[in-house]
Amino acid sequence: DQQVKQNSPSLSVQEGRISILNCDYTNSMFDYFLWYKKYPAEGPTFLISISSIKDKNEDGRFTVFLNKSAKHLSLHIVPSQPGDSAVYFCAASAGQTGANNLFFGTGTRLTVIP
Amino acid sequence: GAVVSQHPSRVICKSGTSVKIECRSLDFQATTMFWYRQFPKQSLMLMATSNEGSKATYEQGVEKDKFLINHASLTLSTLTVTSAHPEDSSFYICSAREGKGGDYRHQPQHFGDGTRLSIL
Repeated sequence: DQQVKQNSPSLSVQEGRISILNCDYTNSMFDYFLWYKKYPAEGPTFLISISSIKDKNEDGRFTVFLNKSAKHLSLHIVPSQPGDSAVYFCAASAGQTGANNLFFGTGTRLTVIP
Repeated sequence: GAVVSQHPSRVICKSGTSVKIECRSLDFQATTMFWYRQFPKQSLMLMATSNEGSKATYEQGVEKDKFLINHASLTLSTLTVTSAHPEDSSFYICSAREGKGGDYRHQPQHFGDGTRLSIL
């Protein structure tokens, strides 16, 4: 049972425009959400996170939005750069009882076109 | 910062061999390390969690006698796949989390580059 879902396997965006990557989850106990970026032949690299007490967290060009009522989060990258081309995974964990278990989505491949 | 080194990156060996994979946190102390497995076209699945100096906690369905985990120091955890068989062929990846101050549960996990294990 996939508790974290990324329904778009791929996304192409022009350089300079905004990239929006989406993620949905089913477990209402999740209280911590992360985005990871992965290049080929490398492990995932932590990008940005958000706690469920917030609805937005921003770090430079990257902003994560959390809509708890919709069980939805998104990652906005603006402006997009060719170096952002990678696979992006969202992940979630459930605080007290499940803090160790990160549930991952299946990833979205972002291609930024120069 | 937060670099995790995993070695080896690829292993090919015969059935019945035991294979050891190392995971090191290079610039931070990892109170907790995690071992994941990824099957083709699926997301990462947690196998076990190890805390320095104590026994690993295995997820349901993971054989602890098959996948031996040792977390001897704050910077090193090892996964040994014992008597490996072709069905153990997979991508194994470790991660590490700092345990310092505040709500450690909300510290991100930092990943190694993974090990592709192929058992002939």
